[in-house]
Amino acid sequence: DAEITQSPRHKITETGRQVTLACHQTWNHNNMFWYRQDLGHGLRLIHYSYGVQDTNKGEVSDGYSVSRSNTEDLPLTLESAASSQTSVYFCASSEGGSYGYTFGSGTRLTVV
Amino acid sequence: QKEVEQNSGPLSVPEGAIASLNCTYSDRGSQSFFWYRQYSGKSPELIMFIYSNGDKEDGRFTAQLNKASQYVSLLIRDSQPSDSATYLCAVTLSGGSYIPTFGRGTSLIVHP
Repeated sequence: DAEITQSPRHKITETGRQVTLACHQTWNHNNMFWYRQDLGHGLRLIHYSYGVQDTNKGEVSDGYSVSRSNTEDLPLTLESAASSQTSVYFCASSEGGSYGYTFGSGTRLTVV
Repeated sequence: QKEVEQNSGPLSVPEGAIASLNCTYSDRGSQSFFWYRQYSGKSPELIMFIYSNGDKEDGRFTAQLNKASQYVSLLIRDSQPSDSATYLCAVTLSGGSYIPTFGRGTSLIVHP
């Protein structure tokens, strides 16, 4: 069965370190997205991609980057982790805007 | 700025009752409307989508859309304790990026 997987499930890192969160989907979806979810803010879009070599900034992209070298993967990199980036991160993929998202299981990141 | 508003709740209903969850949106150009269910500690899961005015039924779930009044509702009939979760409303515009704007969610508690 097709799926979307995120790794790691939990991560603790120190302030200033570079961290990469993985997202891999086997739906063959062109559209992939990264969100963070925090109490009081709901889901906020970090970056998204419509296909290989395409990346776009979302509403909270500062301090984050993504790259898309193939259809299956959209890794999210925190260049220099900050305590404000402690959050739950969700990756999602979609066949198109009218079809809704399939979400990964999430990564809980703690920056100490 | 696009806004999607939901009452945070919690909405508490007895088992077997109808739960009514509401969502209002600010952009009249909105075209696609989604409801996601998110259990505590889990990722959001798409349960319904609706594009046209009126009702759309799927099992115990009914989505209702009224574009003139700019609201979309989710009705859950014969509510079960297993329906206890946070319900997220998401709305997309036409002619744009099709990136949905999410509401912050309504917490539903179904008590036996």
